[in-house]
Amino acid sequence: NAGVTQTPKFQVLKTGQSMTLQCAQDMNHEYMSWYRQDPGMGLRLIHYSVGAGITDQGEVPNGYNVSRSTTEDFPLRLLSAAPSQTSVYFCASSPWTGDNSPLHFGNGTRLTVT
Amino acid sequence: AQRVTQPEKLLSVFKGAPVELKCNYSYSGSPELFWYVQYSRQRLQLLLRHISRESIKGFTADLNKGETSFHLKKPFAQEEDSAMYYCALMTGTASKLTFGTGTRLQVTL
Repeated sequence: NAGVTQTPKFQVLKTGQSMTLQCAQDMNHEYMSWYRQDPGMGLRLIHYSVGAGITDQGEVPNGYNVSRSTTEDFPLRLLSAAPSQTSVYFCASSPWTGDNSPLHFGNGTRLTVT
Repeated sequence: AQRVTQPEKLLSVFKGAPVELKCNYSYSGSPELFWYVQYSRQRLQLLLRHISRESIKGFTADLNKGETSFHLKKPFAQEEDSAMYYCALMTGTASKLTFGTGTRLQVTL
């Protein structure tokens, strides 16, 4: 049971490039989400999904797209990277049992946009 | 809108000293609060949640609705407690968490 797996661990992009951050979980969790972590700002929710085929915006969705074609995977796409998207990105999941179960986090992806 | 405030960026204490990491929240509904911890080079993980009323690694946190606080306490700090601590508020039914900005706890000899 690997839990929540994020790839890559590190990535450097040039302004304007696109890329996809991968997130997979093997716990059959319905709920998945993406956060970004910035110094002095804590973690902020980007997008989330309560099940396959369902996604919604969080607090800071601009510049990011997501899709949820399977229960296991929840990729985050940067369409045209900007320096303001330099951050550490965390994927998290939970069982969505209705009792607000705590989140299980991945190890994070450190992204630098130059 | 909901908000979580952790006023201290860094808290430095000596080993064996009491620890209190402050957390205040703003939310009009019935709050559900958590403390998450991130040790060096490890992933963020749940430390405790208020509805469990449990003590984890010697830490406790009591929800005070009158003061809208959920401070994290430990009577005697240990070196292995050094980490980044985040207070988080869950609202609604979508498991969405609002995090505070975090407090780095540094326990020194």
